[in-house]
Amino acid sequence: QLLLSQSPSASASLGASVKLTCTLSSGHSTYAIAWHQQQPKKGPRYLMRLNSDGSHYKGDGVPDRFSGSSSGPERYLTISSLQSEDEAEYYCQTWVTGIVIFGGGTKLTVL
Amino acid sequence: EVQLVESGGGSVQPGGSLRLSCAASGFAFSSYAMNWVRQAPGKGLEWVSAISSGGSTIYYADSVQGRFTIARDNSKNTLYLQMSSLRAEDTALYYCAKVACSDTSCYVDYWGQGTLVTVSS
Repeated sequence: QLLLSQSPSASASLGASVKLTCTLSSGHSTYAIAWHQQQPKKGPRYLMRLNSDGSHYKGDGVPDRFSGSSSGPERYLTISSLQSEDEAEYYCQTWVTGIVIFGGGTKLTVL
Repeated sequence: EVQLVESGGGSVQPGGSLRLSCAASGFAFSSYAMNWVRQAPGKGLEWVSAISSGGSTIYYADSVQGRFTIARDNSKNTLYLQMSSLRAEDTALYYCAKVACSDTSCYVDYWGQGTLVTVSS
């Protein structure tokens, strides 16, 4: 069964960098994913799609501070030069035969 | 500019029905699959249903199968979700989501602002 695992929480200091992880379940290490950001009291926003080879394609208006990378079954979202508005929930998402699958989300706190 | 505007949410008693709508603009609506995704209060995102660009292929989450019906009217650029036999656990913010596909996968690339459904007696 295709599942996405995310740590429930992460934290980093203002101006620092943070790397969030999304792990694909066994046997699905080649799947592409997408990253979405949900700021407090707002709807989700698409950030980027990320392939197994690490190539990634960002959505409209997504700052250069956001980047993606991959290693085996793990998909990463790196945010550099953290700003206060980056404090949000981050969800990874994949797809199989018409069905969208979400990870449980990581709540990022900017200290 | 892509816009997805949901409407139709509200309060309903358990067992009741509600129809959500999503008005789409800024893209060729008839060319893209569309989805409904919901988020219960304080919880994560849960996929609800998907419909292909022409409407011929439909999928539902097990939690709503047999109770919800997704549909679209490409002449009106509108997506629908007919919800019946509603339960307290259906209480959530319901988002309309556009899906794009690359050579490797499909992904949600635009979201609506959501419409709130509350099921309570």
